[in-house]
Amino acid sequence: LAKTTQPISMDSYEGQEVNITCSHNNIATNDYITWYQQFPSQGPRFIIQGYKTKVTNEVASLFIPADRKSSTLSLPRVSLSDTAVYYCLVGEQTGGFKTIFGAGTRLFVKA
Amino acid sequence: DSGVTQTPKHLITATGQRVTLRCSPRSGDLSVYWYQQSLDQGLQFLIQYYNGEERAKGNILERFSAQQFPDLHSELNLSSLELGDSALYFCASSVATSVNNEQFFGPGTRLTVL
Repeated sequence: LAKTTQPISMDSYEGQEVNITCSHNNIATNDYITWYQQFPSQGPRFIIQGYKTKVTNEVASLFIPADRKSSTLSLPRVSLSDTAVYYCLVGEQTGGFKTIFGAGTRLFVKA
Repeated sequence: DSGVTQTPKHLITATGQRVTLRCSPRSGDLSVYWYQQSLDQGLQFLIQYYNGEERAKGNILERFSAQQFPDLHSELNLSSLELGDSALYFCASSVATSVNNEQFFGPGTRLTVL
């Protein structure tokens, strides 16, 4: 499973756009990039998934450069309710892996 | 509502005891995952089952075991409990085995070991 690196935490203000970048240098050809959101004491929730270029849904956008060694989750005009932990997940299951989710990025949105 | 149910919601027990956590996956999902999340920690993958068979193992202690039944519900058994086992235990399900498949998480079981 490709290792991912994300910032531990980020702060933002309401109404701003937030970009969270994830590095995944060892991404394989068949790997997709998936982002999850987790609120305190709740299970993670799927946000978006992509393979290359750009993907957009009603919640976020995902930008993936041509080399696919990183990806950026973009949250437009965040609100207080976007305060959560965001996990970047990359890779095809090969069996025997230790963890699926890394430490994630703790986003704190201030008024 | 993800469609994944977990029981019980809360569990308080003593050290040395044994507990069983139950998970019912989303209708149609064949794969079940178990995760442990201690206070302010990330999600630790424990084990995955697919259609009744163990598919992958993570950092699951020998004191812990799991199984998936023919009706696809799963149980996580925790024995000889220690204070450090206190955590939120999440179950997730997906349609297949790939990590690329969207995982739907249940509300979790909060285990407190006293």
